[in-house]
Amino acid sequence: KAGVTQTPRYLIKTRGQQVTLSCSPISGHRSVSWYQQTPGQGLQFLFEYFSETQRNKGNFPGRFSGRQFSNSRSEMNVSTLELGDSALYLCASSLRSGRNYGYTFGSGTRLTVV
Amino acid sequence: GQQVMQIPQYQHVQEGEDFTTYCNSSTTLSNIQWYKQRPGGHPVFLIQLVKSGEVKKQKRLTFQFGEAKKNSSLHITATQTTDVGTYFCEVDNQGGKLIFGQGTELSVKP
Repeated sequence: KAGVTQTPRYLIKTRGQQVTLSCSPISGHRSVSWYQQTPGQGLQFLFEYFSETQRNKGNFPGRFSGRQFSNSRSEMNVSTLELGDSALYLCASSLRSGRNYGYTFGSGTRLTVV
Repeated sequence: GQQVMQIPQYQHVQEGEDFTTYCNSSTTLSNIQWYKQRPGGHPVFLIQLVKSGEVKKQKRLTFQFGEAKKNSSLHITATQTTDVGTYFCEVDNQGGKLIFGQGTELSVKP
């Protein structure tokens, strides 16, 4: 079956713009989590959605937001982009909320802010 | 705030040697997850530990959760070149916040 699909794979944006990233989970998976990965800060948890509800949230400013649709697809939005938002953004899906179900990651969207 | 320390940051081993990475928390944890990320790849979920003193094995990998639920280890027996990558712990403190360790980068010399 198809894995976790993230689009686009690469993105270049200008400081001050906003960006929307998309994640399609594995069929049947209802939980989607988002992560930011940078060389300096490493992997950081952004938020988790399950059944269209945000279940958990990391320590990121309000410029970072997300949502989940009824088909479990998820989007994350970053407004007023800053240079420091340049990162690999990963999403992961799971059958249900909670880490004991195992998470499958997508290949990520590499965002560059110039 | 919660501190999660993962050590060592880098480990270079000869193929066939053992490898261990440790994840230590300043607070008691609800559970801990381990991931592996190959160079240029994305993280792959390995396992979750929940119970105090829990030990789980996956072939050559042994995962352990400390009795006080403040630390965990991942041990690889007889490393192979396919084990190369960065190993991360992700902790869920009792406040529901998820935090990653900085990762241990493993290189294996054939």
